Amino acid sequence: EVQLVESGGGLVQPGGSLRLACAASGFTFSNYWMSWVRQAPGKGLEWVAKIQENGNEKKYVDSLKGRFTISRDNTKNSLYLQMNSLRGDDTAVYYCVRYSAYHFDYWGQGTLVTVSS
Amino acid sequence: QSALTQPASVSGSPGQSIAISCPGTSSDVGGYRYVSWYQQHPGKAPKLLIYEVSNRPSGVPDRFSGSKSGNTASLTISGLQAEDEADYYCSSYTSSGTYVFGSGTVVTVL
Repeated sequence: EVQLVESGGGLVQPGGSLRLACAASGFTFSNYWMSWVRQAPGKGLEWVAKIQENGNEKKYVDSLKGRFTISRDNTKNSLYLQMNSLRGDDTAVYYCVRYSAYHFDYWGQGTLVTVSS
Repeated sequence: QSALTQPASVSGSPGQSIAISCPGTSSDVGGYRYVSWYQQHPGKAPKLLIYEVSNRPSGVPDRFSGSKSGNTASLTISGLQAEDEADYYCSSYTSSGTYVFGSGTVVTVL
């Protein structure tokens, strides 16, 4: 059974940093692109970033302007999202998502990030 | 890239059919067959319903179907059931190699 379990969310002050992690199991992690998708409270889904199987290719939504970095450790079956210079509009549930052939086939339960003073 | 504009809400009675539109441009929906649809119940993670415009993953009932004409994709739910009450999102690959989601549609079963 595919499982994606996010961790690392919480309350952070504006301008602060946070690192999210996602532990993957139930499939061969190193064979799949992975992605992060976020959802602000009461709002729709927003694609954030994706990373190639070997970590070499990465893509981000333009609006992030270099503040976030996606990475992975295939030896630990883990995906990460380093978030810097956090702002109030980054407040959201962040989902770890398996990305297969141009669609998102498995989603974690999400971790809530709240940016507030 | 702005979100694709879906209707905010669609409703129907049990057994009826409803359709949700997902209009895009030639740089996303119209340019690729990589349109997918997701269902999200309150407080839950989204679930894949349709991929590559019209393909259903195993376990998704065949009352859910997808199509595309030009720059607009559509999700149709036939034989509406109470458990179909949820939020629905489309998603498309874009010419930038990124992804864009729709604004979301609330489906209400009357």
